[in-house]
Amino acid sequence: KAGVTQTPRYLIKTRGQQVTLSCSPISGHRSVSWYQQTPGQGLQFLFEYFSETQRNKGNFPGRFSGRQFSNSRSEMNVSTLELGDSALYLCASSLGGTGGDQPQHFGDGTRLSIL
Amino acid sequence: AQSVTQPDIHITVSEGASLELRCNYSYGATPYLFWYVQSPGQGLQLLLKYFSGDTLVQGIKGFEAEFKRSQSSFNLRKPSVHWSDAAEYFCAVGAMNTGFQKLVFGTGTRLLVSP
Repeated sequence: KAGVTQTPRYLIKTRGQQVTLSCSPISGHRSVSWYQQTPGQGLQFLFEYFSETQRNKGNFPGRFSGRQFSNSRSEMNVSTLELGDSALYLCASSLGGTGGDQPQHFGDGTRLSIL
Repeated sequence: AQSVTQPDIHITVSEGASLELRCNYSYGATPYLFWYVQSPGQGLQLLLKYFSGDTLVQGIKGFEAEFKRSQSSFNLRKPSVHWSDAAEYFCAVGAMNTGFQKLVFGTGTRLLVSP
């Protein structure tokens, strides 16, 4: 069974640009969550999508947005990039039930560097 | 709000020695607890999880963890460390009121293995 696939693996952008990251979950998983990992702030939850609806949201500005498609693939968009957005962006998928007994499985991340 | 504390930023262990990584959590109800491991340039790999039942849980790669409600702890252990265990380890808690998909992570413990 293929794992969580994130593309691209590396991105270099300049301030003010926007970027779109992609995540393909494990087959059959309906929940996709996004996390930002930085040396200073650690791992922080961005948002979670389930059945094309945002179900949970972290404490990030509106420049960070996402969506999920009917095949459960998800994209994350960051507009008006700032230097502080440089980070490893991790996507995780799970079956997504509310029972909680379905752990999240992570992709290898997209490393975003802002110049 | 839930939180996770990993008091040790770095730990160095000799190969073949035992290992214990500490994790303390703060959450009003019974939490769902996880340990993940991250190798350089990689995403997070799930080592083990605790949902309910037996407080000693077994994971992959010979790791185990014990949930102690009275101490709000979920420490990770391994009886004999291998050089390949050198990585960063993250403890995380999931909350029932967010469907458990919003994980809160500790700051991580970097494990160094000496020959």
